[in-house]
Amino acid sequence: DIQMTQSPSSLSASVGDRVTITCRASQGIRNDLGWYQQKPGKAPKRLIYAASNLESGVPSRFSGSGSGTEFTLTISSLQPEDFATYYCLQHGSYPFTFGPGTKVDI
Amino acid sequence: ELQLLESGGGLVQPGGSLRLSCAASGFTFSGSAMTWVRQAPGEGLDWVSLISYNGGSTYYADSVKGRFTISRDNSRNILYLQMDSLRAEDTALYYCARDMQLSYWGQGTLVTVSS
Repeated sequence: DIQMTQSPSSLSASVGDRVTITCRASQGIRNDLGWYQQKPGKAPKRLIYAASNLESGVPSRFSGSGSGTEFTLTISSLQPEDFATYYCLQHGSYPFTFGPGTKVDI
Repeated sequence: ELQLLESGGGLVQPGGSLRLSCAASGFTFSGSAMTWVRQAPGEGLDWVSLISYNGGSTYYADSVKGRFTISRDNSRNILYLQMDSLRAEDTALYYCARDMQLSYWGQGTLVTVSS
């Protein structure tokens, strides 16, 4: 099975900060990766698909990059509504696997 | 409007069974693979199972293989998860999601396995 790691596991940031989260796969997964945002008590929401494609309706301050084994999610200017937990998901090889998550708080 | 509505969760004893349902609307259900994901209290997301658009292919996490069965009824736009031999570690909020890339999620149904 492919193992996914994320770093950092948590971070503290301020409004306006640039934030970068990294996800690494134990094997190459091409660009078969998505990023999800989850706020407390809510279902996750997809932000990025195919590693770098922005989901419709998601603000352009979110961006994704990478392929193979290393991927990043960047928030260019953190907004109050962005404080949440972020997960990556690899869907390149069964069973699919999530990263452990990165909690972004103030 | 796209909607996924899970149901069937509840309290069950270890070793027991439960069947979850996910009613879909607002998109072509018969054309979409469907996925189950779970989240234990205070924990991260855990991919559980996927079924192809026509039910011809199914995939499972190692932790549930042989105990859980995913199925679908395309005539009624419903996704199922039959859960047998339940364990305490299966306690979680279970979400259904559209397609293999989990483009849209339901709100989840809570399963508690406890004596």
